[in-house]
Amino acid sequence: GAVVSQHPSRVICKSGTSVKIECRSLDFQATTMFWYRQFPKQSLMLMATSNEGSKATYEQGVEKDKFLINHASLTLSTLTVTSAHPEDSSFYICSARAGGFQETQYFGPGTRLLVL
Amino acid sequence: GQNIDQPTEMTATEGAIVQINCTYQTSGFNGLFWYQQHAGEAPTFLSYNVLDGLEEKGRFSSFLSRSKGYSYLLLKELQMKDSASYLCAVMDSNYQLIWGAGTKLIIKP
Repeated sequence: GAVVSQHPSRVICKSGTSVKIECRSLDFQATTMFWYRQFPKQSLMLMATSNEGSKATYEQGVEKDKFLINHASLTLSTLTVTSAHPEDSSFYICSARAGGFQETQYFGPGTRLLVL
Repeated sequence: GQNIDQPTEMTATEGAIVQINCTYQTSGFNGLFWYQQHAGEAPTFLSYNVLDGLEEKGRFSSFLSRSKGYSYLLLKELQMKDSASYLCAVMDSNYQLIWGAGTKLIIKP
């Protein structure tokens, strides 16, 4: 149980294009989903927290107009990197939490984004 | 400020035992998580401690002392596939996960 999928697993795009990443909880309803970014050999960095049906809460320093998050259902959240630039190249990982605040976060497999 | 400390890197021998320590200073405490992350992959959940003591799960055990702000992850009968980074994360009073930088564990034959 507690499987989270992400799509695509890898994407290469040109600078200026937008990229959408999907995160799905396959066997549970995720009331809360989290989006992280991880640069090589660095720790996870939380970008935003999204609750189903409401606006995402962004961490300090994360541009909400650049990283659009939609959590339309209890099993799907999307992250859209708008007008991507090479510095946005990173490993983007989502996680999902089923119930209350102390529930474990389960991670998707991650999406590796390379912006040329 | 909030802080999670764990060693950057550790080396151990196949078949041996290794203990990865984590100390924390956070605004409140609602549990401590250990995750395993292989290179190029996302983290996978290993354990959750909210009460003092030892939680055992097969070859892996996790210990917590809330009064000392301290936890450790104990890995027994090490296998080559255990080579990975191990992330300690503490849930603070706002139920936010505060992440450590991770400990890279290298297993040698």
